[in-house]
Amino acid sequence: QVQLQESGPGLVKPSETLSLTCSVSGGSFNSYYWSWIRRPPGKGLEWIGYIYHSGTTSYNPSLTSRVTLSVDTSKNHFSLKLTSVTAADTAVYYCASQRGNSVFDFWGQGALVTVSS
Amino acid sequence: QSALTQPRSVSGSPGQSVTISCTGTSSDVGAYNFVSWYQQHPGKAPKVILYDVIKRPSGVPDRFSGSKSGNTASLTISGLQAEDEADYFCSSFGGMSIPVVFGGGTKLTV
Repeated sequence: QVQLQESGPGLVKPSETLSLTCSVSGGSFNSYYWSWIRRPPGKGLEWIGYIYHSGTTSYNPSLTSRVTLSVDTSKNHFSLKLTSVTAADTAVYYCASQRGNSVFDFWGQGALVTVSS
Repeated sequence: QSALTQPRSVSGSPGQSVTISCTGTSSDVGAYNFVSWYQQHPGKAPKVILYDVIKRPSGVPDRFSGSKSGNTASLTISGLQAEDEADYFCSSFGGMSIPVVFGGGTKLTV
């Protein structure tokens, strides 16, 4: 059973960079794509992007100019950086394991990130 | 605006059946049999209940079933139970340019 846990600041100022890390335990780190997904208050889910253990990435075209994903296979964790944030980036951010058919099997509990001065 | 279109809400009484639709395009839902459905209770992470249109992960009751016709996928929940009250999201593979597209979500009231 794969377990994921998000960590990072819960409050970020406008125009600054949002940074989150997802720690993975159980299962094989090399068996999945590792994704970030968010849910703004009162809205639906939005896929942000994924990274593979090799470092290969894919990003949502709507966010690609502001998103960077990285991975540290020695620590079994992967990270999200989202630059130039605005209030519209306020959301619960989830990390999840993604299979090749775009199924998300395992999810973290979610981390609420609020963008506010 | 979400890439896939779902009704904002549906409702049903215990024991009844409800169907939630998920409409995409010929580039996502219509092109691949890679539609998934997720159930999300308030304050909890989403949980996959169907994948590859019709497949159920271990532990998901067979009251949950899926289908697809053209650019529209559907989730049917039969024998509604109070615990089924939740938000439901569909997703689809959207091709190499955008591997994942989600629906806007449907709130099911039982």
